[in-house]
Amino acid sequence: DAKTTQPTSMDCAEGRAANLPCNHSTISGNEYVYWYRQIHSQGPQYIIHGLKNNETNEMASLIITEDRKSSTLILPHATLRDTAVYYCISEGETGANNLFFGTGTRLTVIP
Amino acid sequence: NAGVTQTPKFQVLKTGQSMTLQCAQDMNHEYMSWYRQDPGMGLRLIHYSVGAGITDQGEVPNGYNVSRSTTEDFPLRLLSAAPSQTSVYFCASSYLREEEKLFFGSGTQLSVL
Repeated sequence: DAKTTQPTSMDCAEGRAANLPCNHSTISGNEYVYWYRQIHSQGPQYIIHGLKNNETNEMASLIITEDRKSSTLILPHATLRDTAVYYCISEGETGANNLFFGTGTRLTVIP
Repeated sequence: NAGVTQTPKFQVLKTGQSMTLQCAQDMNHEYMSWYRQDPGMGLRLIHYSVGAGITDQGEVPNGYNVSRSTTEDFPLRLLSAAPSQTSVYFCASSYLREEEKLFFGSGTQLSVL
């Protein structure tokens, strides 16, 4: 299974775009990249996922490099409620829907 | 639509006691799984199931048993609790398709003394 690498923490000013990077240099051609976030002690929440193309939904945008070795999650206008741990995840080798979570990036949105 | 429901929310056990963490989903999802999260760490997969009657081990299965007798329920059993099992436990479910997002419960905080 492909491993992902993320910065431990980041800060972002309220109202500005938050850009969270992720390296997944060992990802295989058919493995999706998923992003989840965990607010305080709640269960993780799905944000977005992608394979090759850039993706956008009501929560965020996902930019995947052409070589698929890295991606960036973009929260266009960060709010205080976006303060959370963000996980960049690739699919596990056991298949099914097993996802392997790392320690993620702790994003703090500053007023 | 309740989603994924976990009970209890909090539990304190003594070493050696047994208990069952309950997880139920009402979305007719084939896939269900259990994760544990220790302080400052990400989630680690304990067990998972791709349908009724089918279960398999994840990354950290030792000390835990599961069964899947119905599509809706996926209980996690601790037969003899140990302090190392003090953790927050999350249940998740999803459809079993090539790409599918997981829905998580709100978690059970377990302390083993």
